[in-house]
This record gives sequence, C-alpha cells and structure tokens, in this order.
Amino acid sequence: QSVLTQPPSASGTPGQRAIISCSGSSSNIGSNTVNWYQQLPGTAPKLLIYSNNQRPSGVPDRFSGSKSGTSASLAISGLQSEDEADYYCAAWDDSLNGPVFGGGTKLTVL
Amino acid sequence: QVQLQESGPGLVKPSETLSLTCTVSGGSISNYYWTWIRQPPGKGLEWIGFIYYSGSTSYNPSLKSRVTISVDTSKNQFSLKLNSVTAADTAVYYCARGSSSLVYWGQGTLVAVSS
Repeated sequence: QSVLTQPPSASGTPGQRAIISCSGSSSNIGSNTVNWYQQLPGTAPKLLIYSNNQRPSGVPDRFSGSKSGTSASLAISGLQSEDEADYYCAAWDDSLNGPVFGGGTKLTVL
Repeated sequence: QVQLQESGPGLVKPSETLSLTCTVSGGSISNYYWTWIRQPPGKGLEWIGFIYYSGSTSYNPSLKSRVTISVDTSKNQFSLKLNSVTAADTAVYYCARGSSSLVYWGQGTLVAVSS
C-alpha cells in the first residue's frame, strides 16, 4: 500500500493529452514539493519533474506538473508512443523523514 | 557525467544478510546525500534509506531494524546491508544521488531471496 495514491493506469491516443493524478496528505504533498519519475520498461526511473513543475535539462516541455493542496498532477501533451511508461509521483514526508512514492501509473499510448 | 553502479550477490538465502555496494564515478561522493530504493518485481518504488557523505543516515521505519547504510569516501562508494531477509525482500535495488529529487540513478540490480 503506497503512501501516495495514483490511478494504476491511464491511456490516450497519439497527439492527445494525458493527465495523471497523485493524492497525498498534509505530511507529504501538503507541505513539500512533488517530483515525478518516468520509468521505461526494464530501466531505472528518470526524474521528469521536480519542485512541482520544474523540468530537468533535456525533458521536453510536453511534460508539465502542478500541485494544489494535497494533490498533484502530471500532464503530458502531444502524446507519443515513446511516452509509454510507468510514472511515479514522490514527495518528502515529514513523518517518515524521507521520500514517499505513489504506486505508479502505467501509461498506454493506443 | 555522474554514473552509479550497484554490485553484489544476485541471490541471498532466507535469514541471511543482503549486501550491496554502489560505486560512484564521474564525480565526488562528497557534499551529497546518497539513497537506496528498491522495487519488487511488478511493483512500485520503496525508499530504503539515505546517507550523507559525512555519515549521517535516515532509514525507512518499516526497515530500520534491519538496515545499515554506510559510506566510504576514499573509494567513492556507499553500501547497503539488509539482514534477516525473506522472500519479501526480493527486488531490484537501486542506488541514487540525492535525498528527495533523485537525478542520478544506478541501473539497478536484482536480488532474489531463495534457498
């Protein structure tokens, strides 16, 4: 049982926009910033969004993040087949004194 | 470019100790936090713990009684020990740089717990 709650799956057709939600609590998302990771099959996770809405160098601007209260969202516009991956949200948890993760959302590009 | 590489046995017997090392290249281990994350097959990510280069640590409470993370700055390495393992500890173990925003990751190593 993950501390942060994500839908197990999401889908969209090429060119569409997909949104993945992440719900937490006051001890994590409510009081700290959110990161998003992309995990392609058989590879290590890659930092996609940090500090709620910042993209590391090299991440396309098709990926965007937002946060409101104890929830956060990842939006992917102009879906491409290579976006098929698992996406994880994460946030620092003040009770745990460490990061907590969502259970992951498998994005399928139909 | 910073690179991390996990190493250690791929098979550990139940009740024994899982030991992994992460070697950092392309940068110094100093002045950063270093984290261990694991991912059971087909499941999500779980934070195990992290260590600052100076040696201070923080562990996931669910694993704290069984985990030790240490650092060897002279070798640019940090290590994970997880004792009294069971089948539930079977996972891909990743090392990463940072404590929260994890930019650099190792490729991961699968550790199976089985007799």
